[in-house]
Amino acid sequence: DGGITQSPKYLFRKEGQNVTLSCEQNLNHDAMYWYRQDPGQGLRLIYYSQIVNDFQKGDIAEGYSVSREKKESFPLTVTSAQKNPTAFYLCASSIAWQGDQPQHFGDGTRLSIL
Amino acid sequence: GQQVMQIPQYQHVQEGEDFTTYCNSSTTLSNIQWYKQRPGGHPVFLIQLVKSGEVKKQKRLTFQFGEAKKNSSLHITATQTTDVGTYFCAGPFDNQGGKLIFGQGTELSVKP
Repeated sequence: DGGITQSPKYLFRKEGQNVTLSCEQNLNHDAMYWYRQDPGQGLRLIYYSQIVNDFQKGDIAEGYSVSREKKESFPLTVTSAQKNPTAFYLCASSIAWQGDQPQHFGDGTRLSIL
Repeated sequence: GQQVMQIPQYQHVQEGEDFTTYCNSSTTLSNIQWYKQRPGGHPVFLIQLVKSGEVKKQKRLTFQFGEAKKNSSLHITATQTTDVGTYFCAGPFDNQGGKLIFGQGTELSVKP
């Protein structure tokens, strides 16, 4: 089945530690996205990638970094500079970088601070 | 800046009652998308509306796009426990390609 796989499902970060969240898709989609969701909140865009080897900052990029070296992969690193990382992180993809394309989401990663 | 507001934030209903969530944008939208997120799950795309005044139905769910393309609603007739979850509307940013602005969501709980 085609889809988006995020791992791990749960992740714990120690103070001063960088952690990387994995996102892989086999939908052959060009565009990929990372969102952060806090309890009772909507989705806030962290980073997005229109196409392989390209990525852009979203609305809350500080303390995060990404790469897009392969079409199917868009990992997110939560750096120690992100002081409030506890949240639910969702990766999504769409066929193309267009506002009329629905986004397909992975199951998410829940990140907590130890 | 562009905003998409959604009300109510929470709605508790008895099974069998109807439910409506409303979505209002500060600017005209080229389209509006609706997503459902089950508790503990991820958002799942439900539908997209494109035309002014468009109405689409999916079984007990009715989606409307306003004439001015600035508001939308989702109505569920005779709710069931399987309808539990958070419903989000989302619309694209002006001239920013695939960026979507998501509403805050309406969390629906259904008492059997």
